[in-house]
Amino acid sequence: DAGVTQSPTHLIKTRGQQVTLRCSPKSGHDTVSWYQQALGQGPQFIFQYYEEEERQRGNFPDRFSGHQFPNYSSELNVNALLLGDSALYLCASRRQASYEQYFGPGTRLTVT
Amino acid sequence: QQQVKQSPQSLIVQKGGISIINCAYENTAFDYFPWYQQFPGKGPALLIAIRPDVSEKKEGRFTISFNKSAKQFSLHIMDSQPGDSATYFCAADQGGSEKLVFGKGTKLTVNP
Repeated sequence: DAGVTQSPTHLIKTRGQQVTLRCSPKSGHDTVSWYQQALGQGPQFIFQYYEEEERQRGNFPDRFSGHQFPNYSSELNVNALLLGDSALYLCASRRQASYEQYFGPGTRLTVT
Repeated sequence: QQQVKQSPQSLIVQKGGISIINCAYENTAFDYFPWYQQFPGKGPALLIAIRPDVSEKKEGRFTISFNKSAKQFSLHIMDSQPGDSATYFCAADQGGSEKLVFGKGTKLTVNP
């Protein structure tokens, strides 16, 4: 039973560029959430997708957007990258009826 | 506003000892309290979780104690092992939200 998978593992981008991160949820899960984890901090909620719609959003600017596909996989897009966007981006999945969220290994984004 | 406060920031324990990490929350609407374990370069792994209708939950060497009136909960790791050395995060979730709010983490070091 595959867990949550994310790609790529690492990414280096330049300020002003755009980036797309990908996530495949755990088998049987239909809800995907994205979190940003700065170095030495706890993860912060970005947004959640269910039934291909953004259901909830944290305190992040519109530069952060996402998408969920019919197979429940998801993408996180960040436009106009800032140095402060450098972080570990985590995807978490769950079944809609369950509280338990399972995290992927994350994508380490470095903005130079 | 930090909704979940975690302490201590770091903890050093001898092998076989008891590790205790504490968290306090403010939002009385929170109704799900998980603990995550994170190793360097990895995503957080769900360790154990509790709902406020019970005061304690035990799974193997890990126990959550929950005090609803004080709005506090804690993680106890019995017979701590060097392999338990990791960063531990408490979190809280509000029913219908499924948006985890994390503490800032506790770096646990278990000396052999």
